[in-house]
Amino acid sequence: DSGVTQTPKHLITATGQRVTLRCSPRSGDLSVYWYQQSLDQGLQFLIQYYNGEERAKGNILERFSAQQFPDLHSELNLSSLELGDSALYFCASSVGDRVEVGEAFFGQGTRLTVV
Amino acid sequence: AQTVTQSQPEMSVQEAETVTLSCTYDTSENNYYLFWYKQPPSRQMILVIRQEAYKQQNATENRFSVNFQKAAKSFSLKISDSQLGDTAMYFCAFMKHGTVKGTYKYIFGTGTRLKVLA
Repeated sequence: DSGVTQTPKHLITATGQRVTLRCSPRSGDLSVYWYQQSLDQGLQFLIQYYNGEERAKGNILERFSAQQFPDLHSELNLSSLELGDSALYFCASSVGDRVEVGEAFFGQGTRLTVV
Repeated sequence: AQTVTQSQPEMSVQEAETVTLSCTYDTSENNYYLFWYKQPPSRQMILVIRQEAYKQQNATENRFSVNFQKAAKSFSLKISDSQLGDTAMYFCAFMKHGTVKGTYKYIFGTGTRLKVLA
């Protein structure tokens, strides 16, 4: 158990809809990262938040947005969903201010299926 | 920009044998970290081993070891005495500190699917 919690584990929705994925980082971790994994491809970095503020953006579509709340949990919002958005979405967290740690802890992911 | 390349999409190995997964990366950074993550069918991402670029000694964790060649920008993973439970997707990852204190940037390869055969 990595200590990172993602909900829901599975999500099935129709095209054009909007969904929200939730992530609770490990206790004490300030950074949250979101990744998309499609069709056995590598993990694509979407976005990073650190202590409530956006810190880095990767290949995130404009239809997608995220935020990190004061209690440090994060939500990834996916709107106007398309079939190609079907993927496994991972959340990861790291301490963020301890340079010697250098590792991220991953949740079990949310499997999104757009039909 | 940093890139991570895993050139072996799929590999198989007999139980108890040794297998090596390759990973190359491209960066102009001098300080960074390299990782191997394992993703079993349960789809959870599990850290296997990590290597700090400033350390010349290759990291080892039980049956898992790496061959880190900094000049060649190569970071291969060797699994000794392969077990059925090692069957998984393996991701190589590069990490460097972000421009803002307390942030990190991870870049992953596309993964190698390893199957251990009984």
